[in-house]
Amino acid sequence: AQSVTQLDSHVSVSEGTPVLLRCNYSSSYSPSLFWYVQHPNKGLQLLLKYTSAATLVKGINGFEAEFKKSETSFHLTKPSAHMSDAAEYFCVVRTPGGYNKLIFGAGTRLAVHP
Amino acid sequence: KAGVTQTPRYLIKTRGQQVTLSCSPISGHRSVSWYQQTPGQGLQFLFEYFSETQRNKGNFPGRFSGRQFSNSRSEMNVSTLELGDSALYLCASSLGDPLRRGIGPDTQYFGPGTRLTVL
Repeated sequence: AQSVTQLDSHVSVSEGTPVLLRCNYSSSYSPSLFWYVQHPNKGLQLLLKYTSAATLVKGINGFEAEFKKSETSFHLTKPSAHMSDAAEYFCVVRTPGGYNKLIFGAGTRLAVHP
Repeated sequence: KAGVTQTPRYLIKTRGQQVTLSCSPISGHRSVSWYQQTPGQGLQFLFEYFSETQRNKGNFPGRFSGRQFSNSRSEMNVSTLELGDSALYLCASSLGDPLRRGIGPDTQYFGPGTRLTVL
C-alpha cells in the first residue's frame, strides 16, 4: 500500500533562512510524488512533482525536492524563506494504475518570522 | 485559461438534510476527483470520474455519491447529513487520459473548495 509520512507537523523559520520540510514515502512501486501548498482559505496549489526523469525536482517559487530511493524520502527545501511562504504543505503520493487517487500526508504548517 | 471552479463556496445545512456540490473542471480536462478535508482526518479521497464514469472510489459510506456530465462538470451529493460531514470539499481536475500511463503523473489542479457546515 502507498503512504506518506510528514515528519514534522509544524516548522518555524526566520525570513531569509533555509526551509526543510521532511517527507518519507512507502510504496511497492516506483512512486509518483508531489508537493502541494495550501494557503489559508485557499485551494491546493502544485509546487512540484517527481516524474522519475530526475531525482532533483525544481518547482515554483524557488522550492525543490530530492527523491532518494535508498532513504524513501522526498524532502522539500528552499534556500531562503519568504514571509509569503507561510502556509500548509502536503506531501502526496499517487496510487499506481493510471488513475488519479492521491494519498496525502498529514501536512506541515510552515511559519515564517520576520 | 480559467481554473477549477466550485459552487457554492460556503454552505450551512442541518443534520438529516442533503446537499449537492458542483465542480467545473479546467477546459479540456476530463477527469474530476473529489476530496474531503477535515482537521481530524486530513485530506481523504472520495471518488474520481472520467468520461462520465466513476473509475475509483475512496472509503466513504454510500451517503456520498457523485456523477459527471458529458461536459465534464461534476456534482457530488451527500444525503442524510451528519455533523461529521462538516468539512472543506475540494475538487480537482486533470487531463485524465489513461493512455498517459508511463509518460508521467497526470497533474491534478484543485479548486478553492466548498466549505460545508452541518448544524
